[in-house]
Amino acid sequence: QKEVEQDPGPLSVPEGAIVSLNCTYSNSAFQYFMWYRQYSRKGPELLMYTYSSGNKEDGRFTAQVDKSSKYISLFIRDSQPSDSATYLCAMRVSGGYNKLIFGAGTRLAVHP
Amino acid sequence: DGGITQSPKYLFRKEGQNVTLSCEQNLNHDAMYWYRQDPGQGLRLIYYSQIVNDFQKGDIAEGYSVSREKKESFPLTVTSAQKNPTAFYLCASSIVGRTGPMNTEAFFGQGTRLTVV
Repeated sequence: QKEVEQDPGPLSVPEGAIVSLNCTYSNSAFQYFMWYRQYSRKGPELLMYTYSSGNKEDGRFTAQVDKSSKYISLFIRDSQPSDSATYLCAMRVSGGYNKLIFGAGTRLAVHP
Repeated sequence: DGGITQSPKYLFRKEGQNVTLSCEQNLNHDAMYWYRQDPGQGLRLIYYSQIVNDFQKGDIAEGYSVSREKKESFPLTVTSAQKNPTAFYLCASSIVGRTGPMNTEAFFGQGTRLTVV
């Protein structure tokens, strides 16, 4: 079993839809949770960052962490064609060097 | 502008050859990392370095080697011992030893796509 599980998709939605992307994990020691966005043939860019449980909102993006269920989510409101990318969840434990454990990434396509 | 530069963008390797991928950063980050990305498998850690002249193996280090002679540079050599080197290689850097704000997390370069011919 992988430490972080993420459905690779692809996920196809119409413009304006609400998108929900999810990851589950098995290591209860994870404290820091991140979402990276990766456009085709580019490096990942850090999109959202959450420490421990709770929600964080940034514009059209909301990240949620439920540590009791070992489940994290990224919601995209009013999705746009420019949101079409692969979304990778990543997480790590507290302390030490910043070794990130990544999910496989979910490929999202938003069509006009 | 501060950032991470990987070169070349595309690289072709013949069977039995060693090739070296370049990674340079001007973010003044102490830690640097090399990841390999294959379709449907996410990113896997090859090597990482927290300080100059020191580095550790990641999860899939076999067939790879690195050096860290300067803070800004962390080149990766894909040796002939790596039997399946075709992949997208990503270099990243971060601040070491601090946890908290978003800017302590890993920032990535634009990647090098290596193909065996």
